[in-house]
Parts: sequence; C-alpha cells; structure tokens
Amino acid sequence: DTAVSQTPKYLVTQMGNDKSIKCEQNLGHDTMYWYKQDSKKFLKIMFSYNNKELIINETVPNRFSPKSPDKAHLNLHINSLELGDSAVYFCASSLGGVRSPLHFGNGTRLTVT
Amino acid sequence: QQPVQSPQAVILREGEDAVINCSSSKALYSVHWYRQKHGEAPVFLMILLKGGEQKGHEKISASFNEKKQQSSLYLTASQLSYSGTYFCGTENPDAGKSTFGDGTTLTVKP
Repeated sequence: DTAVSQTPKYLVTQMGNDKSIKCEQNLGHDTMYWYKQDSKKFLKIMFSYNNKELIINETVPNRFSPKSPDKAHLNLHINSLELGDSAVYFCASSLGGVRSPLHFGNGTRLTVT
Repeated sequence: QQPVQSPQAVILREGEDAVINCSSSKALYSVHWYRQKHGEAPVFLMILLKGGEQKGHEKISASFNEKKQQSSLYLTASQLSYSGTYFCGTENPDAGKSTFGDGTTLTVKP
C-alpha cells in the first residue's frame, strides 16, 4: 500500500564509492523528483522527471545521475561519493502542475565516511 | 529563489496558538504547506492557489495573499502532535518546480 517507496532506508559507505537509491510510486503520478535535505533541514530539489523525461536538472554535480526506466520509477546513482554528499535524499511524486501536492517517500539517509 | 519563513523556531504550550509566515520576492502562483516530524518524510497539509483564498485542516488553517506575495499558516489550540518542522513550498509553473522555505520548527510542550 506504500505510495512512494525508497530503498535503502540507510546507506553508509566510504568516500569514492558508487551507490544507487531506488524509488517507486504506485500513485499513477506523471512527475517524480529527487530532493536533498541537509543537516539544516533545507529541502533542495535536484531533479524532476515527467513521464520518463528529465525536466529539471538543478546545479548538481555530474556525479549524480538520475534514471527513469518508466514513469513509476526514478533511481539516483551517485559516483565517487564525497563527505558532502551525506544527507537525506527524498523521492517524491505528483500529478504535476501548480495544483498538485508532493507525496514524499520515507527518505534515504546517506552517510559517507 | 527560495521563500523566506519566519519565525525559524517557536515553542508553545498545548492549547496556545502560533502563526508561521512565508514570503517570496517573486510572484506566487500557489503555496503548499508541509509538516515534517523528526526522522520522517514531509507530509502535505494544504495547498492555496491564487485568489487570496484561505483553507482549513482541523485546527490548522492558512491564507494566501498573492499581492503581498506571502502566505501564513495558523495553528490554533496547538496539540502535542503539531510538533515538527513546517515548510512552505512555492510554485512557479514556468520553472516547473517547488521551491521550499528553510522551515519553521514548532515544539509543543505539555
């Protein structure tokens, strides 16, 4: 019954490693997002996809690469992890447009040591 | 450009009221409000659209004044369950994204 699900919930890894976070939504939404929440709780958008097409790509290092195999899935791959990548990453989905609220996944807490 | 929220933090006793403000330097088309409890995901509370509308959700209501480019969230007779961080999100259809304020932490004490 989970609307937006992310895996894994926790991710602890060393600098330089490559890791992926997966996200799936069963709400039938067309638009999916990745947000990063830092230690000060600031929620910053990273990417947005609409029907598998990238529509928002904020100023994010090239080490971050999103992939959307279909409109229900949006994955995030991170290469060469750095200490500053430590944060909580939230996946979200919406119908799209200004009237549509965001439905967030439970987040993935990434710790880079 | 992200909206500005005030205050940054507020501490209340149960039953007290609070107001959280969200203002933007850019024209607003809609404002979303979310609440995030510690260790959890943000949860949608309500959305306000252009037209100066007000909305209510239990004892939480909000107003939106697009001329002043601001929105306010009103929490009346606060309950312990209201504790959390409240975010406003502003929408710009040209940008196609939500931009969040930096949050207001609300703590309700017995």
